[in-house]
Amino acid sequence: AQTVTQSQPEMSVQEAETVTLSCTYDTSESDYYLFWYKQPPSRQMILVIRQEAYKQQNATENRFSVNFQKAAKSFSLKISDSQLGDAAMYFCAYRSLSGTYKYIFGTGTRLKVLA
Amino acid sequence: DSGVTQTPKHLITATGQRVTLRCSPRSGDLSVYWYQQSLDQGLQFLIQYYNGEERAKGNILERFSAQQFPDLHSELNLSSLELGDSALYFCASSVGGTGLTEAFFGQGTRLTVV
Repeated sequence: AQTVTQSQPEMSVQEAETVTLSCTYDTSESDYYLFWYKQPPSRQMILVIRQEAYKQQNATENRFSVNFQKAAKSFSLKISDSQLGDAAMYFCAYRSLSGTYKYIFGTGTRLKVLA
Repeated sequence: DSGVTQTPKHLITATGQRVTLRCSPRSGDLSVYWYQQSLDQGLQFLIQYYNGEERAKGNILERFSAQQFPDLHSELNLSSLELGDSALYFCASSVGGTGLTEAFFGQGTRLTVV
């Protein structure tokens, strides 16, 4: 069974600085999708970025980018020029492309942004 | 607005009672997922439906059940409620299949068992 691990329960970053959130996963599949979701205090789950495993190029969305290392099964999220509004819980998620296609989430990393 | 609608937004009930949470997926989405999030915890996968049929089961208690109806809306039934069932229950939907599509989440139903 697939698992997703986020080893950093909490991270802090100074406003305007860069922070990297870690995510590792375990799977025997060769094709899958990976996602980062943000959950602000409102508790709404918001997609930040997504990555297809067969693509070597790292996904980028404005200030958010990923470092996808398929062999290492690592999928970290880099937030550049951090803003106060980035403060939230961040969840890494894995989506299988066989069987059930379900989404498996990590335990989350709480990001604090310091003014 | 994700397009996924969950009702009610808040629910307060007593131990031993039964409640039903409702989810309307985005238009066109065939897959519905239910997740439970306890305070400051991650999302625990409960169950998934695809086009009316159960596709996957996670850590769902026997006291909990769900179904997806022909119009694709889904209901999660929680019975013999205990204090520990207090949590935020999310419904998410996606197109399903192999396309690169994220799960779109509703705003959740906050259940408080007293």
